[in-house]
Amino acid sequence: QVQLVESGGGVVQPGGSLRLSCTASGFIFSDYCMHWVRQAPGKGLEWVALIWYDGTNKYYADSVKGRFTISRDNSKNTLYLQMNSLRAEDTAFYYCARTKAAALYYFDYWGQGTLLTVSS
Amino acid sequence: EIVLTQSPGTLSLSPGERATLSCRASQSVSSRYLAWYQHKPGQAPRLLMFGVSSRATGIPDRFSGSGSGTDFTLTISKLEPEDFAVYYCQQYGTSPTWTFGQGTKVEVK
Repeated sequence: QVQLVESGGGVVQPGGSLRLSCTASGFIFSDYCMHWVRQAPGKGLEWVALIWYDGTNKYYADSVKGRFTISRDNSKNTLYLQMNSLRAEDTAFYYCARTKAAALYYFDYWGQGTLLTVSS
Repeated sequence: EIVLTQSPGTLSLSPGERATLSCRASQSVSSRYLAWYQHKPGQAPRLLMFGVSSRATGIPDRFSGSGSGTDFTLTISKLEPEDFAVYYCQQYGTSPTWTFGQGTKVEVK
């Protein structure tokens, strides 16, 4: 069955960096576009970034543009999110999710999330 | 940017009752681009509906979606114990971008 497992969360000081990973199984990873979506404590869901199935195109929310970089390694079935210049407002659960390239409109599978806390 | 407003914020109901959740968009949304998710604490969000009214794989038929333009509704015909959760609507916009409503919590009365 489809599984997405995030890892790499933790506590980081403001201005610091961290890399999240999402390991996929149960489907052909290279056939799907992948996303990061986050949820700050007590808040709703916020889309963060998209990477095309072959890594050729990447898109970011304005709130993270220039600080976060999404990437993938299709040989390892793994998605990454490199987060730099972290701020307190980046504190959130980070979920990876997939969409079909032909139907970007909705996320059909999600992981359970990993928690990032930005605090001094 | 299209803003999605969900109401009510919290719905207190008993198992077996009908739940009606609203999602209102600040501008017209293509029906193809409107989806609903269920989210329970500590779990992965789960796709319920896409294209307004198409149920995702494995979603029981007590869940239904309707609406068009700026007003959309998720209905749960008879609440089961496992349906108590937070529900989000989501729309896809050009750029591309994805936005979510703030959520409706369905809790046990």
